[in-house]
Amino acid sequence: DAKTTQPPSMDCAEGRAANLPCNHSTISGNEYVYWYRQIHSQGPQYIIHGLKNNETNEMASLIITEDRKSSTLILPHATLRDTAVYYCIVSYNSGTYKYIFGTGTRLKVLA
Amino acid sequence: EPEVTQTPSHQVTQMGQEVILRCVPISNHLYFYWYRQILGQKVEFLVSFYNNEISEKSEIFDDQFSVERPDGSNFTLKIRSTKLEDSAMYFCASKGTGETQYFGPGTRLLVL
Repeated sequence: DAKTTQPPSMDCAEGRAANLPCNHSTISGNEYVYWYRQIHSQGPQYIIHGLKNNETNEMASLIITEDRKSSTLILPHATLRDTAVYYCIVSYNSGTYKYIFGTGTRLKVLA
Repeated sequence: EPEVTQTPSHQVTQMGQEVILRCVPISNHLYFYWYRQILGQKVEFLVSFYNNEISEKSEIFDDQFSVERPDGSNFTLKIRSTKLEDSAMYFCASKGTGETQYFGPGTRLLVL
């Protein structure tokens, strides 16, 4: 089973920030949090990842709580093209680094 | 920017036939993966491959499946005798020395 829980769906107005939460209460100390998105049936697209500290790149920001039990992906100015399913994944640290996907959050950006 | 490529983009086959799905991972990557996604369902891990051998496989990856890296660049998934329930999107992914996997665009397999 996936080690993360996310709300099944969210709406966001175009131009506003989209804040997507994720709970990962059983995360281990050396496990990373990854965010990917999938637009229609395309391949999952990497967005951002982090271990303990907050991270920012050209796509998004990742806020990880101090206890690391939850995180939030922030898309600062959502556009219609950000409509997708967003997956929060905790790396399965078995040595193979396989991903266990959950059902994700279906984000709909509204005009 | 380097990317993972997959061929074909679509494959239609008859039940019982063999199919080979091909992937070209990102150059210099060391870890290779296959995932599948049945329509409307979650992305599921199938197999990981490292140092020219399978490092982990899921319950889905039974004797009908095999993987190979025949020439140092391609990474293939073979389904020996396809079943209707093998119809899905198949995604290849690769990872280098960093933590992140990069996915290809997928192959849509339809078994009739």
